[in-house]
Amino acid sequence: QQQVKQSPQSLIVQKGGISIINCAYENTAFDYFPWYQQFPGKGPALLIAIRPDVSEKKEGRFTISFNKSAKQFSLHIMDSQPGDSATYFCAAWGAGGGNKLTFGTGTQLKVEL
Amino acid sequence: GAGVSQSPSNKVTEKGKDVELRCDPISGHTALYWYRQSLGQGLEFLIYFQGNSAPDKSGLPSDRFSAERTGGSVSTLTIQRTQQEDSAVYLCASSKDRGSPLHFGNGTRLTVT
Repeated sequence: QQQVKQSPQSLIVQKGGISIINCAYENTAFDYFPWYQQFPGKGPALLIAIRPDVSEKKEGRFTISFNKSAKQFSLHIMDSQPGDSATYFCAAWGAGGGNKLTFGTGTQLKVEL
Repeated sequence: GAGVSQSPSNKVTEKGKDVELRCDPISGHTALYWYRQSLGQGLEFLIYFQGNSAPDKSGLPSDRFSAERTGGSVSTLTIQRTQQEDSAVYLCASSKDRGSPLHFGNGTRLTVT
């Protein structure tokens, strides 16, 4: 059973555009939602995270939007740059999810000039 | 300071052989995780260690997989009688404690021929 569903699988955005990646979860006990960024040959690195008591969190060009009632959250990358080209994973953590982060299947983002 | 270190970075082995993968977590981090990343897939949880507590082995896919963590620091993931479907990138992560952000190593790419 996949507890965190992520879309799209891949995404191509023009430089300066907005990249949007969506995730949906099933377990209402999840209470921590991070996004990880992974470059080829490297391990994932924490990008930004949110807890369900807020609907939005912004750090620089990266914003998480969170909809608790819909059990959905999304990552927005404003003014996308070629250096943002990477694979992005959403994840969820909390009671009922065990002692682990449950990850989405990833989105491969390519930002073109 | 040093991040999570994994060795080897690449391992090619023949089907049926045993392999050992090593992880050196960040000093002082009490929690240690192993994940598996198959091509085009998300991160699959394998096992979790927290301090001196019994490990959470709920993600190990078969009894061919085992892991240990000696002295609360270095961890070794062992795969016995490797199969082709074991081919993947094995990622180790550590965190200060349960619920803190995970810091990943760059992984070991295992290829079973």
